[in-house]
Amino acid sequence: NAGVTQTPKFQVLKTGQSMTLQCAQDMNHNSMYWYRQDPGMGLRLIYYSASEGTTDKGEVPNGYNVSRLNKREFSLRLESAAPSQTSVYFCASRQTGINTEAFFGQGTRLTVV
Amino acid sequence: RKEVEQDPGPFNVPEGATVAFNCTYSNSASQSFFWYRQDCRKEPKLLMSVYSSGNEDGRFTAQLNRASQYISLLIRDSKLSDSATYLCVVKDSGNTPLVFGKGTRLSVIA
Repeated sequence: NAGVTQTPKFQVLKTGQSMTLQCAQDMNHNSMYWYRQDPGMGLRLIYYSASEGTTDKGEVPNGYNVSRLNKREFSLRLESAAPSQTSVYFCASRQTGINTEAFFGQGTRLTVV
Repeated sequence: RKEVEQDPGPFNVPEGATVAFNCTYSNSASQSFFWYRQDCRKEPKLLMSVYSSGNEDGRFTAQLNRASQYISLLIRDSKLSDSATYLCVVKDSGNTPLVFGKGTRLSVIA
């Protein structure tokens, strides 16, 4: 019962370093999402992929890139990390449909110093 | 204006109390509505979908008012384990993403 798996769970980066957050789902879902969550800000959408081969910007895409490698995997890349990107990052997946549930990974706690 | 707005709380209630949360959304074309629950330092999880006719799941009742564009969640007989943040979630039609409110924090006190 893996569901949505995110790696790593924790990461500390220095300003200017790059890294990729990995996300994989085993539920054959079409849609995948990357959110960030900051205190008092709620969940904000960074990028999403409605289906394999497509990606779209969300509310806060600046400083990030994504790749929908295949139906299972959706990665988030920080090319040059900044302290403002310190946050908790959640990946989610969801099957196409009106009232279908979104399933979340356990989150990645990223600190940029 | 944020698409989905919630009272951030916190709501501090005693065990056994009834508590209600409201949420308003700005897009009248929204089609799907949900309440998610998020425990401290955990990922959000679906609590319940919200249907036009209203729906109930045990101690939880969700209502939708399309004319006024708000959604409510009623929790009866609150338990300590209900302490969490409750997220109102809205979705438009088509391949659009879920939009989350900032959440309402509930603390149930013994």
